[in-house]
Amino acid sequence: DIQMTQSPSSVSASVGDRVTITCRASQGVSSSLAWYQQKPGKAPKLLIYVASTLQSGVPSRFRGSGSGTDFTLTISSLQPEDFATYYCQQANSFPWTFGQGTKVEIK
Amino acid sequence: QVQLVESGGGVVQPGGSLRLSCATSGFTFNNYGMHWVRQAPGKGLEWVALIRSDGNIKYYADSVKGRFTISRDNSNNTLYLQMNSLRREDTAVYYCAKERYISGSYMDVWGKGTTVTVSS
Repeated sequence: DIQMTQSPSSVSASVGDRVTITCRASQGVSSSLAWYQQKPGKAPKLLIYVASTLQSGVPSRFRGSGSGTDFTLTISSLQPEDFATYYCQQANSFPWTFGQGTKVEIK
Repeated sequence: QVQLVESGGGVVQPGGSLRLSCATSGFTFNNYGMHWVRQAPGKGLEWVALIRSDGNIKYYADSVKGRFTISRDNSNNTLYLQMNSLRREDTAVYYCAKERYISGSYMDVWGKGTTVTVSS
């Protein structure tokens, strides 16, 4: 199985800050990577797929990059509604696996 | 709009069974694969199972293989997860999610989830 490791596990930031979350795969997944946002008590929401393609309706302050084993999610200017937990997921091969999550908290 | 609504969760004793349903609307159900993903209390996301659009190809996580069965009724736009021999570690919120396949298998629309508690 492909292991997905996110860092950091949590980050404290202020509104307007730039936030970067990284995701590393234990083996190459090409560009088959997604990012999801989950707020407490809610279902996950797809933000980005194929490493850098923004899902319809997702604000342009979210940006994904990377390929192979190393990926990044960047929020260019953090907004109040962005405080949540973010998960990466490799979509390349069965079994599909998620990172452990990164919680973005208010500083 | 696309909607997924899970049901069937509840409290069950270890060794028991439950059948989850996911009623869908707003898209052509028989054109898409469907996932089940679960989340134990306070934990991260764990993929559980995938069924392709025609129902003939199914994948399972090792943690549920041989105990859970994914199925679908394309005439009623409904996805199912039959869970047998339940264990305490199966306690989780179970989400169904629509598959988007573009160079890989993504989950582009999720239901709100249904809670399964395995406890004596």
